Amino acid sequence: EDQVTQSPEALRLQEGESSSLNCSYTVSGLRGLFWYRQDPGKGPEFLFTLYSAGEEKEKERLKATLTKKESFLHITAPKPEDSATYLCAVRVNRDDKIIFGKGTRLHILP
Amino acid sequence: DGGITQSPKYLFRKEGQNVTLSCEQNLNHDAMYWYRQDPGQGLRLIYYSQIVNDFQKGDIAEGYSVSREKKESFPLTVTSAQKNPTAFYLCASSSVTGRNTIYFGEGSWLTVV
Repeated sequence: EDQVTQSPEALRLQEGESSSLNCSYTVSGLRGLFWYRQDPGKGPEFLFTLYSAGEEKEKERLKATLTKKESFLHITAPKPEDSATYLCAVRVNRDDKIIFGKGTRLHILP
Repeated sequence: DGGITQSPKYLFRKEGQNVTLSCEQNLNHDAMYWYRQDPGQGLRLIYYSQIVNDFQKGDIAEGYSVSREKKESFPLTVTSAQKNPTAFYLCASSSVTGRNTIYFGEGSWLTVV
């Protein structure tokens, strides 16, 4: 069964304390992996798309990486405004379905 | 600005009523989606459409209906058959070829009163 699992469920960091969020997946064929940021009461905001193992994308304090089994979202020297829920999703080759993880709630303390 | 517009932002439904959530996109995307988001459960797919006049059920389609008469529009009706409709509803769209990232609207809150 195709599955996407994000960990940890929640993470509290001090401002400036770097860390990584994990998205592991078991799918029949990966067509793309997506990262989103979601603020409370808002729709998910697109961050990155990754297509093949070894690929990396960066945007400000965020860097996404992809292996054959998982993706990491690295956050470097985070600020309180980086607090949000981060969602991972995969698009599956077989039926073009998009499967979402349950997200990681990130809270950055000033 | 290009994007996806959902309306209304907040909607209240009485027991036994049908309500319709609007979703319009000007991204020229062929595919459109409706998701439901509940606390701690992530996003669950209700319906999706890859072309005008055609749509498929997602994982939780019971109690919902959709139409796709225009490429830009994909309204969702929450019927009285949906027993637990209180949730945050998200509309999304993507192209069906190439780098088909999925983009989301701002969401609609539906509450049963």
